[in-house]
Amino acid sequence: NAGVMQNPRHLVRRRGQEARLRCSPMKGHSHVYWYRQLPEEGLKFMVYLQKENIIDESGMPKERFSAEFPKEGPSILRIQQVVRGDSAAYFCASSPGRGLVGYTFGSGTRLTVV
Amino acid sequence: GQQLNQSPQSMFIQEGEDVSMNCTSSSIFNTWLWYKQEPGEGPVLLIALYKAGELTSNGRLTAQFGITRKDSFLNISASIPSDVGIYFCAGQAADGGSQGNLIFGKGTKLSVKP
Repeated sequence: NAGVMQNPRHLVRRRGQEARLRCSPMKGHSHVYWYRQLPEEGLKFMVYLQKENIIDESGMPKERFSAEFPKEGPSILRIQQVVRGDSAAYFCASSPGRGLVGYTFGSGTRLTVV
Repeated sequence: GQQLNQSPQSMFIQEGEDVSMNCTSSSIFNTWLWYKQEPGEGPVLLIALYKAGELTSNGRLTAQFGITRKDSFLNISASIPSDVGIYFCAGQAADGGSQGNLIFGKGTKLSVKP
């Protein structure tokens, strides 16, 4: 059984382009969480989604960032009009239910904005 | 927002030595977690602590949930070269956020000299 799958592993975008990061949760997991990690820093929570619903978006920047977790398919973190400051590693985690039991991280997407 | 203060920031030790790192918070936490992150990968859970005073071991690793619920430590005994990596504390604050929102420390970078 595969773990949490994130793709692409590396993404390069020019300033002003859009970045789409995908996360497929572990089998049987219906809760997805997105985090951002800047160099030499810990992970910072961005958003928590359950199928078709945003549960907590308290860590999401107000502009340019959006997230979805449709009924079918992976969760998508979308960054519009990227800027250099968006360069970071973006991690997705999934869990089978609310709470931390089975909470598992993926290997991340490294976004570089040039 | 809530922060976790993790120390030390980095450690350079000799193989075979014991290691100790800790995390403190200004607010009460319900859960403390310790993760290890290797280059290019996501965090991997080492130990989870759910009750104040709890002491839990996982092989050569031991962690404790402080009785004030504002701190936790991780000890690694008889370090080996494969212990190299960045160790993060993380937790769920008692007073805020959804149940999926983890707050991370900035990490302790461990280097082991053979």
